[in-house]
Amino acid sequence: QKEVEQNSGPLSVPEGAIASLNCTYSDRGSQSFFWYRQYSGKSPELIMFIYSNGDKEDGRFTAQLNKASQYVSLLIRDSQPSDSATYLCAALNQAGTALIFGKGTTLSVSS
Amino acid sequence: EAQVTQNPRYLITVTGKKLTVTCSQNMNHEYMSWYRQDPGLGLRQIYYSMNVEVTDKGDVPEGYKVSRKEKRNFPLILESPSPNQTSLYFCASSLFVGFREPHEQFFGPGTRLTVL
Repeated sequence: QKEVEQNSGPLSVPEGAIASLNCTYSDRGSQSFFWYRQYSGKSPELIMFIYSNGDKEDGRFTAQLNKASQYVSLLIRDSQPSDSATYLCAALNQAGTALIFGKGTTLSVSS
Repeated sequence: EAQVTQNPRYLITVTGKKLTVTCSQNMNHEYMSWYRQDPGLGLRQIYYSMNVEVTDKGDVPEGYKVSRKEKRNFPLILESPSPNQTSLYFCASSLFVGFREPHEQFFGPGTRLTVL
């Protein structure tokens, strides 16, 4: 069974700090990875995706991918209370037919 | 406005009473998918469709049916619902051009289903 693993948290950081969220995946055939944010009871919203080794930055968010280590991370700089949510890491399976989601990491940003 | 819509948003029903959850997208996406989300288990794929009349099972297809007669619609059918199908259901859609060109999956607002 292909899996994506995340620490469930909660991860607590003060406002203005950097939040670091991590994810590992088991399927070496996965090429593309996604970070979604989900507020309680709401649908997931895409933050960013990454498919090349290295870093990808978008505003306050930076995704990092290391395919050799099968590791994906998301850094949130200058964390805000509105960033408090569950962050879902997902890997697109090799066939491109399904996103395999981790169980999510809950982030709490205190003001 | 580009969106995925689902109906109903909330549904309480009884065991064995057939129901359909509708999903519609207005983005001309080829790919559509159904997920269920349960505490401690995360999002799991039920069924997906690569295009009209092309559907396939995901990880947890038991007890569900789908159809894709039109590109925009992808209904989820529970022929004989049971309490273990109580869950939060999401429909999603995206363009599909293969795994090397990832595209965002847009999620609907969710349907909270309770089966008594």
